[in-house]
Amino acid sequence: SQQGEEDPQALSIQEGENATMNCSYKTSINNLQWYRQNSGRGLVHLILIRSNEREKHSGRLRVTLDTSKKSSSLLITASRAADTASYFCATDRGTGNQFYFGTGTSLTVIP
Amino acid sequence: DAGVIQSPRHEVTEMGQEVTLRCKPISGHDYLFWYRQTMMRGLELLIYFNNNVPIDDSGMPEDRFSAKMPNASFSTLKIQPSEPRDSAVYFCASSGQGFSKLFFGSGTQLSVL
Repeated sequence: SQQGEEDPQALSIQEGENATMNCSYKTSINNLQWYRQNSGRGLVHLILIRSNEREKHSGRLRVTLDTSKKSSSLLITASRAADTASYFCATDRGTGNQFYFGTGTSLTVIP
Repeated sequence: DAGVIQSPRHEVTEMGQEVTLRCKPISGHDYLFWYRQTMMRGLELLIYFNNNVPIDDSGMPEDRFSAKMPNASFSTLKIQPSEPRDSAVYFCASSGQGFSKLFFGSGTQLSVL
């Protein structure tokens, strides 16, 4: 069964704008990850944030985690057309070694 | 590093036939996962292995599904007999010791007619 719910389900923005996606989950976690999936391809790992971390950066990506609210957000700054993809959060439900994915946010960046 | 390799890339079969999906994980990775992706249910974890041993198969939908990992470099997911509702994209992923992130294959698009 799915663990997380991403919000919004779909997002369309202009190139250069920022994109924010949210993820809510149900159980305690050790860490949370974000993945990107281009159409017809496998998922690619973007960033991992541990339960004792509140914020993490990687290039144009910024992830926040609020364990009290069981939620995370992914911010992509200065978006590009190449960022068009689906984005998924994944949590380990406290197991540390098996990951359950949310429903995904479909991001479209218009050139 | 060739990444996780899955075959076939596409599989079209008729209901009742046996289907075998194959996966070669990244060399040195201790964990191997099989996921299924559909529009209705999203990404579902079917089963995962650690050091070639199945650890949790609670996500396998029915007895028609079985998975094996005879050695560290090869795994199969078999559906027998296949049904139209099995149509989906099946992904294999692997991860190293100290588990940090999953590396996904390109998936097998399965269509059962």
